[in-house]
Amino acid sequence: KAGVTQTPRYLIKTRGQQVTLSCSPISGHRSVSWYQQTPGQGLQFLFEYFSETQRNKGNFPGRFSGRQFSNSRSEMNVSTLELGDSALYLCASSSQAGGGETQYFGPGTRLLVL
Amino acid sequence: DQQVKQNSPSLSVQEGRISILNCDYTNSMFDYFLWYKKYPAEGPTFLISISSIKDKNEDGRFTVFLNKSAKHLSLHIVPSQPGDSAVYFCAASRGGSNYKLTFGKGTLLTVNP
Repeated sequence: KAGVTQTPRYLIKTRGQQVTLSCSPISGHRSVSWYQQTPGQGLQFLFEYFSETQRNKGNFPGRFSGRQFSNSRSEMNVSTLELGDSALYLCASSSQAGGGETQYFGPGTRLLVL
Repeated sequence: DQQVKQNSPSLSVQEGRISILNCDYTNSMFDYFLWYKKYPAEGPTFLISISSIKDKNEDGRFTVFLNKSAKHLSLHIVPSQPGDSAVYFCAASRGGSNYKLTFGKGTLLTVNP
């Protein structure tokens, strides 16, 4: 079974631009979560989608948004990029709606904002 | 407010010895705890988990201990191997759900041959 895939793997943007990251979960998994990893803050939860609905959201500004498609693929969008948005963005998928199942992470998209 | 804390940014041990990674949490609502291992340029990989109804869970060389009264958990790796060298993240969730994990900042484990 193929793992979680994320595209692109690396991205360079400038301040003020917007960016869209993509995540394809493991086949059959319906839950996709997004995390931001920075050296100072570690891994922080952004949001989670299940069956095209955002079920949970972390403490990030509205510039961070996401969506999930009927095939469970998910996209994350960051508008008006700031230097502090430079990070590794990880998505994770799981098969159950919650409880007892672990998340499987993709390799991440490394975003650099100049 | 860091609800999950890994106070040791790094740890170095000799091959064959025990590695002990520690994690503290502040939110008493957390009831499910996980450890992930992360190599450079890869996403975190699930290692082992423990529910709050248990105080120990073992899987091969990896054992996780949970002390609820102290809000502390630890991961023991015995014996440590060079391939265990990675960043280890402690994570917690509440309500039995796994889709919103609160992570610690990680501990870099280096196992020296």
